[in-house]
Amino acid sequence: LAKTTQPISMDSYEGQEVNITCSHNNIATNDYITWYQQFPSQGPRFIIQGYKTKVTNEVASLFIPADRKSSTLSLPRVSLSDTAVYYCLVGDYTGFQKLVFGTGTRLLVSP
Amino acid sequence: DAGVIQSPRHEVTEMGQEVTLRCKPISGHDYLFWYRQTMMRGLELLIYFNNNVPIDDSGMPEDRFSAKMPNASFSTLKIQPSEPRDSAVYFCASSTTTGALAKNIQYFGAGTRLSVL
Repeated sequence: LAKTTQPISMDSYEGQEVNITCSHNNIATNDYITWYQQFPSQGPRFIIQGYKTKVTNEVASLFIPADRKSSTLSLPRVSLSDTAVYYCLVGDYTGFQKLVFGTGTRLLVSP
Repeated sequence: DAGVIQSPRHEVTEMGQEVTLRCKPISGHDYLFWYRQTMMRGLELLIYFNNNVPIDDSGMPEDRFSAKMPNASFSTLKIQPSEPRDSAVYFCASSTTTGALAKNIQYFGAGTRLSVL
């Protein structure tokens, strides 16, 4: 599994756009990039996954540059309820693979 | 589907007692995982099953921990005897590698918060 590095914490205010960048210099050709979100007192929840360029869903966008050595999770117009820990995971998900969660990025959204 | 269901949500017990945590995976999922989360160590994978068979238990901390999956819809994680250092939140998750547009996504339960006094 490729090692990932992401900021330990970030602060934002309601209504702002938040971008969380994850570095994965050793990403392999078959690796996908997956982000999970964990609210306090809940289990992690899948939010988005991508391989290259840009992926968007109802929750977030994921930007992946051509070299794929990093990725950026973008949360548009955050609200207080977006306060959570965000985990970046990289691995070959064409088949089964164990997930390895790092420390994640703790996002705090203030009024 | 109701998602992954864990019980109990909270468990308080005394050192030395047996603790049993329960999990019902999402119907049709063929993988089941048990995780433990603490502030110090983060989210750790303890064991996982494929088609009810334990595949990798390398994360199980010691012999006091055991897990079973008697059928596709039920799994237990047992700690006997329990110790204060076992206090943590225990999560169960399930997944499938077939028919999923996204790859290898795990769905987590709400967790069981265990306190061993």
